[in-house]
Amino acid sequence: DQQVKQNSPSLSVQEGRISILNCDYTNSMFDYFLWYKKYPAEGPTFLISISSIKDKNEDGRFTVFLNKSAKHLSLHIVPSQPGDSAVYFCAASEGYGGSQGNLIFGKGTKLSVKP
Amino acid sequence: DAGITQSPRHKVTETGTPVTLRCHQTENHRYMYWYRQDPGHGLRLIHYSYGVKDTDKGEVSDGYSVSRSKTEDFLLTLESATSSQTSVYFCAVRAAYEQYFGPGTRLTVT
Repeated sequence: DQQVKQNSPSLSVQEGRISILNCDYTNSMFDYFLWYKKYPAEGPTFLISISSIKDKNEDGRFTVFLNKSAKHLSLHIVPSQPGDSAVYFCAASEGYGGSQGNLIFGKGTKLSVKP
Repeated sequence: DAGITQSPRHKVTETGTPVTLRCHQTENHRYMYWYRQDPGHGLRLIHYSYGVKDTDKGEVSDGYSVSRSKTEDFLLTLESATSSQTSVYFCAVRAAYEQYFGPGTRLTVT
């Protein structure tokens, strides 16, 4: 059973507007969450992360929100730019600070930002 | 890019042949990982290493083996390639709390 779910395979947004990508998880032991961006024919690149002791983390145009009670996190991109068009993966880990730090990935959401 | 290179970047091979993919890093990271990416599956962990000669299985390890004789190199071997192993393979290293990925190897098994 999928432990990390990205239920929207694709999302289309107008340039300058907000993009909201969603991710749900089932394992209540997950304590660290990450977002990666992937362009075609390239490796995933780390975007932003959040620890379970926080409910928000910001980095420039990117903000991640964590709702532990709902087991839900979201990535907000404001304002969206055409260069943000990519596949976004949500990932989660249990006990990341200690052990091997294995990540469980969602299936990804393809974001298209239209000029 | 965390100093990660993967070789080869593209490979076409026949069913039943052995294949070895190489991941090389230049920043002395202890943890290294091999993933495969397939449509509809996201990224799935094959094997990982937590030090020289220390490796363990991931979610989809069947049909794959790994070796790490030096800190900088992590090898993934398909002993007898099958068509179901056609995929894009990514190597990653762990730095602090994040993983950083290489550019990938596209493998086609015919």
